[in-house]
Amino acid sequence: SQTIHQWPATLVQPVGSPLSLECTVEGTSNPNLYWYRQAAGRGLQLLFYSVGIGQISSEVPQNLSASRPQDRQFILSSKKLLLSDSGFYLCAWSVLGALRDEQFFGPGTRLTVL
Amino acid sequence: AQSVTQPDIHITVSEGASLELRCNYSYGATPYLFWYVQSPGQGLQLLLKYFSGDTLVQGIKGFEAEFKRSQSSFNLRKPSVHWSDAAEYFCAVGFNDMRFGAGTRLTVKP
Repeated sequence: SQTIHQWPATLVQPVGSPLSLECTVEGTSNPNLYWYRQAAGRGLQLLFYSVGIGQISSEVPQNLSASRPQDRQFILSSKKLLLSDSGFYLCAWSVLGALRDEQFFGPGTRLTVL
Repeated sequence: AQSVTQPDIHITVSEGASLELRCNYSYGATPYLFWYVQSPGQGLQLLLKYFSGDTLVQGIKGFEAEFKRSQSSFNLRKPSVHWSDAAEYFCAVGFNDMRFGAGTRLTVKP
């Protein structure tokens, strides 16, 4: 069966520090991968998605970047965190070629920027 | 413009009462439709989905949803709410990609 992992589960970082959040998927090949941010009391904002290794699409201009160094690994990064980067970050995957189909979500990372 | 709307930000129901969460979409054609649930501090879990066929869809945990093309709606229902149903519920619409509503937070009173 497929599983999706995110780490760390929680993170507290000072403003201006770098960020690296990791997401890995097991049990499937060539998935679409997604990063979402969920601010307190808000819905899900799609940040990035990837349909293959090295292929990243950005939905909104921001302080963050994403990379996909391996088929089932998706990394969210920042060189310098802002206070507004605080939130709950969710990674998700879906079957290749199915951008509008069911997505499977990881447990999330709670990021607090102080 | 393409959009998905959940009109109710927060709903409170008593345990054992019925529940209906609203979802409306605006797309050029019938998209794929989903309902997800998120417990506090957790990821999202799929409750049910609609692609085509029977417009009444059964999901997990006793939930169902009905697709109404004429109203561009996909409302989620449960006949009798349990305290464990307290969570955030998201409607999602898949067309060229996937878009999520802002969510409805459900509080269950004892």
